[in-house]
Amino acid sequence: GAVVSQHPSRVICKSGTSVKIECRSLDFQATTMFWYRQFPKKSLMLMATSNEGSKATYEQGVEKDKFLINHASLTLSTLTVTSAHPEDSSFYICSALAGGQGDEQFFGPGTRLTVL
Amino acid sequence: AQSVTQPDIHITVSEGASLELRCNYSYGATPYLFWYVQSPGQGLQLLLKYFSGDTLVQGIKGFEAEFKRSQSSFNLRKPSVHWSDAAEYFCAVGSDAGNMLTFGGGTRLMVKP
Repeated sequence: GAVVSQHPSRVICKSGTSVKIECRSLDFQATTMFWYRQFPKKSLMLMATSNEGSKATYEQGVEKDKFLINHASLTLSTLTVTSAHPEDSSFYICSALAGGQGDEQFFGPGTRLTVL
Repeated sequence: AQSVTQPDIHITVSEGASLELRCNYSYGATPYLFWYVQSPGQGLQLLLKYFSGDTLVQGIKGFEAEFKRSQSSFNLRKPSVHWSDAAEYFCAVGSDAGNMLTFGGGTRLMVKP
């Protein structure tokens, strides 16, 4: 199957700093990528849909100025958590839509963000 | 709005025993239904999906699921569980040809030797 990577896998930062998380489709081109947030022992919540070359579409309640998404190429989407606070600590997961494969989403392994 | 409920937060079964994980959904149209498994350090892996056709769907790793429209359910089953099946399982419903996924709360499966 198709492979999606995320970098970094873990990051610890100080409150007030910004953190960038990368999501890459390694062996296919993804016109659409999704960003999810997973709280401990909770389900995945869709944050935004990222389309290559256009602005991301954010779900209700997600601050677009705080969670900046850039999908600059067909294999890379980035999520930047700006001015991070402890409540932003979470597990962030991306997925990529591989067109031509039954529209299956392939998920990255996730990034654990801890804000001190 | 679509929603997914997985009533069981934790399930423990003995190795070799059968397994059924419950999933109920709410969706206005014909749903696209998915089961994913999440293991530590790995991304969600698709076990199976239902778009249309035969309501009994076969997936990978010996899993199957049955779509029951009258019960709004899509329960996941496996006849004989292996220790390596211990993981978190998520049911999801998709709109827009399955692209926009709404996940259930997940069921953590533990397997006793």
